Amino acid sequence: DIQMTQSPSSMSVSLGDTVTITCRASQDVGIYVNWFQQKPGKSPRRMIYRATNLADGVPSRFSGSRSGSDYSLTISSLESEDVADYHCLQYDEYRTFGGGTKLELK
Amino acid sequence: QVQLQQSGAELAKPGSSVKISCKASGYTFTSYYISWIKQTTGQGLEYIGYINTGSGGTNYNEKFKGKATLTVDKSSSTAFMQLSSLTPDDSAVYYCANKGFAYWGQGTLVTVSS
Repeated sequence: DIQMTQSPSSMSVSLGDTVTITCRASQDVGIYVNWFQQKPGKSPRRMIYRATNLADGVPSRFSGSRSGSDYSLTISSLESEDVADYHCLQYDEYRTFGGGTKLELK
Repeated sequence: QVQLQQSGAELAKPGSSVKISCKASGYTFTSYYISWIKQTTGQGLEYIGYINTGSGGTNYNEKFKGKATLTVDKSSSTAFMQLSSLTPDDSAVYYCANKGFAYWGQGTLVTVSS
């Protein structure tokens, strides 16, 4: 089974920060990685699909990148509405979620 | 617009079963597979499996084989997930999603308690 190791599990952030969250795949998953944002009591929202593509309506301060088996979600100039949980998902072989990252304000 | 409307919260006894529904609207139901995802309170997301809404073919995460059964009713554009032999570990919010996880239902809380 493909594992997605997400880091960090939590992060203390300040408004205006650039934040990067990473998922490492245990084997090659190509471009088949999505990133989701989830706020308390809400369903996940797809932010990035196919590793680097911005989903509809997502602000341009969000971006996705890939370096080998490492996939990253970067938020530039963090805004208060970005404070949430973030999850990665690989869907190359079956589907596996990462463990999640919780952003908290300092 | 694409919408997935899930059934309401369930309170079930250990050993029983529940059947959750996910009613799709705003698109041709058979155009997209429907996936199901589990989220335990304060925890991450676990993939349960998906169903081909056209053929009814299914694919399950090994962990959920024998626990979850996915079906569809094309006539009502509704997908179902039955969870059987419930234990407290099955207490969670369950989501349906489609189109590459672009759209999600609002979630259904299942609580297993005697």
